[in-house]
Amino acid sequence: AQSVAQPEDQVNVAEGNPLTVKCTYSVSGNPYLFWYVQYPNRGLQFLLKYITGDNLVKGSYGFEAEFNKSQTSFHLKKPSALVSDSALYFCAVRKGYGGATNKLIFGTGTLLAVQP
Amino acid sequence: DAGVIQSPRHEVTEMGQEVTLRCKPISGHDYLFWYRQTMMRGLELLIYFNNNVPIDDSGMPEDRFSAKMPNASFSTLKIQPSEPRDSAVYFCASSIGTGVMSGNQPQHFGDGTRLSIL
Repeated sequence: AQSVAQPEDQVNVAEGNPLTVKCTYSVSGNPYLFWYVQYPNRGLQFLLKYITGDNLVKGSYGFEAEFNKSQTSFHLKKPSALVSDSALYFCAVRKGYGGATNKLIFGTGTLLAVQP
Repeated sequence: DAGVIQSPRHEVTEMGQEVTLRCKPISGHDYLFWYRQTMMRGLELLIYFNNNVPIDDSGMPEDRFSAKMPNASFSTLKIQPSEPRDSAVYFCASSIGTGVMSGNQPQHFGDGTRLSIL
């Protein structure tokens, strides 16, 4: 069975400091991994994805994520946080190539709070 | 390029009434998903369609919920009769998923319908 865990309900960081939002996954075979961001009263917005290739993936708004197969992790990172990055972040996973379903399994979300 | 469009954005109705939520996916997308988001249960997949055909409705909570996709540009989620515990934000999402690379494209979400059942 596929699953994804976001161990932190909330992450607090000061503006200008680096940020990390953690995600670990469980899936048989190779995973497809995604990060989404949700601002208040809005739908989820796609940030970045890992499908194959380079383990470091770059996405929108200066975010990046590192795929680590041995640790089954896909942590979201940004070198310098902005107050405007404050939002709810979701990690999602599905079985990769050859998977029988197009369902994404979402984590429970991590609230990122960036203090000025 | 228009995104996924949902209507209404807000719906307040009394228990027992029928509720219909609407979704227009992005043109050309062949997958459509309905989700429900609550504080207690997080984001739940209710049902998804491929080429207008329901593929997996295992997340539909009970028979009071039904979803249809009569054509590639329109889907509805209906609750009849509605109950207070159905109060949530309902999201529709669409994606392209054809061919051997199916599933590597992101889902695009609408801004949701905030449903309150009194």
